[in-house]
Amino acid sequence: GESVGLHLPTLSVQEGDNSIINCAYSNSASDYFIWYKQESGKGPQFIIDIRSNMDKRQGQRVTVLLNKTVKHLSLQIAATQPGDSAVYFCAENPPGATNKLIFGTGTLLAVQP
Amino acid sequence: NAGVTQTPKFQVLKTGQSMTLQCAQDMNHEYMSWYRQDPGMGLRLIHYSVGAGITDQGEVPNGYNVSRSTTEDFPLRLLSAAPSQTSVYFCASSYSAGVGEKLFFGSGTQLSVL
Repeated sequence: GESVGLHLPTLSVQEGDNSIINCAYSNSASDYFIWYKQESGKGPQFIIDIRSNMDKRQGQRVTVLLNKTVKHLSLQIAATQPGDSAVYFCAENPPGATNKLIFGTGTLLAVQP
Repeated sequence: NAGVTQTPKFQVLKTGQSMTLQCAQDMNHEYMSWYRQDPGMGLRLIHYSVGAGITDQGEVPNGYNVSRSTTEDFPLRLLSAAPSQTSVYFCASSYSAGVGEKLFFGSGTQLSVL
């Protein structure tokens, strides 16, 4: 079946540095991608999304990059803060009209003071 | 705003017992769904509903039943719990079932089946 995977299960960064979390997806026809943040004991929280007709989208301190040629998605967090420590999931929506997301396995981001 | 509310937060069952995980949303969302989250794995879709009276299976539906009698509520039923159903369960909703609609998640129910 289709799957979304992450290259690094754990990422440790220093406070103030930039973080880059990577994700590979396998369904080349997926047309919508999302990054979620999950803090301990909580449900996933939407961070940023991007459609397949774009290759970059910026939010507040976050940027998502989409490379359809190699089926790669990345999340960049600028000036990482202790509050950014969490598990980050990428998710894709395969072709179709229903909001059925396929999630990756997650990357733990640990911010060191 | 309450958003998506799940109850209970924790539950321990014995093999063969039944129970219902409750999910309610107060955002008048048409689309609701249930995911399970296992260690080392991403969230996997169990069942979903595009509106009251309409439900469908996701990726891992076996062992679970759902119904959607109102827009607000989407309970998940385990008829005969098995240890393989030990997991964290998340309910999520969005305004509609369209691609690109932002999913809002509840805080989860941690279920252990002994």
